[in-house]
Amino acid sequence: KAGVTQTPRYLIKTRGQQVTLSCSPISGHRSVSWYQQTPGQGLQFLFEYFSETQRNKGNFPGRFSGRQFSNSRSEMNVSTLELGDSALYLCASSTTITSYEQYFGPGTRLTVT
Amino acid sequence: AQSVAQPEDQVNVAEGNPLTVKCTYSVSGNPYLFWYVQYPNRGLQFLLKYITGDNLVKGSYGFEAEFNKSQTSFHLKKPSALVSDSALYFCAVRANTNAGKSTFGDGTTLTVKP
Repeated sequence: KAGVTQTPRYLIKTRGQQVTLSCSPISGHRSVSWYQQTPGQGLQFLFEYFSETQRNKGNFPGRFSGRQFSNSRSEMNVSTLELGDSALYLCASSTTITSYEQYFGPGTRLTVT
Repeated sequence: AQSVAQPEDQVNVAEGNPLTVKCTYSVSGNPYLFWYVQYPNRGLQFLLKYITGDNLVKGSYGFEAEFNKSQTSFHLKKPSALVSDSALYFCAVRANTNAGKSTFGDGTTLTVKP
């Protein structure tokens, strides 16, 4: 079974631009969570989607948004990029919202210049 | 609110020696506890979990962890370290009533020297 895939793997943007990251969960998994990983802040929860609905949200500004499609694929969008948004963005999938384990993708490395 | 503390940024051990990576947590209600490992330029890989039952949990690659409710700890252990165990290790917790949202520790870099 294929793992969680994230595209693109690397991205360079300039301040003020917006970006969209994509995540395809493991087949059959319906819950997708997004995390931001930075050296200073560690791993921080962004949001979780299940059945096309946002179920949980972390403490991030409204510039960060996401959505989930009927096939469980998810996208996250960051508008008006700031230098501090440079990070590894990780997507994790699980079978349902109450599942124990999360399976992580390789991440998208976003660099904002 | 839930939180995780990994008090050591770095742990260094010699190959063949036992290793311990420490984790303490705070959560309302019963905890679900996890350990993940991250290799350079890779996502996190699930190692093991504690949900309920035996306090000693066995996971992948020979790792195990001991749940101690009174000390609110969930330390990761391995009897004999390998050089290939060198990586970044994360402890995570979520309350059994907070589906989906896990809180991660800051991570501990494990270096195993030959």
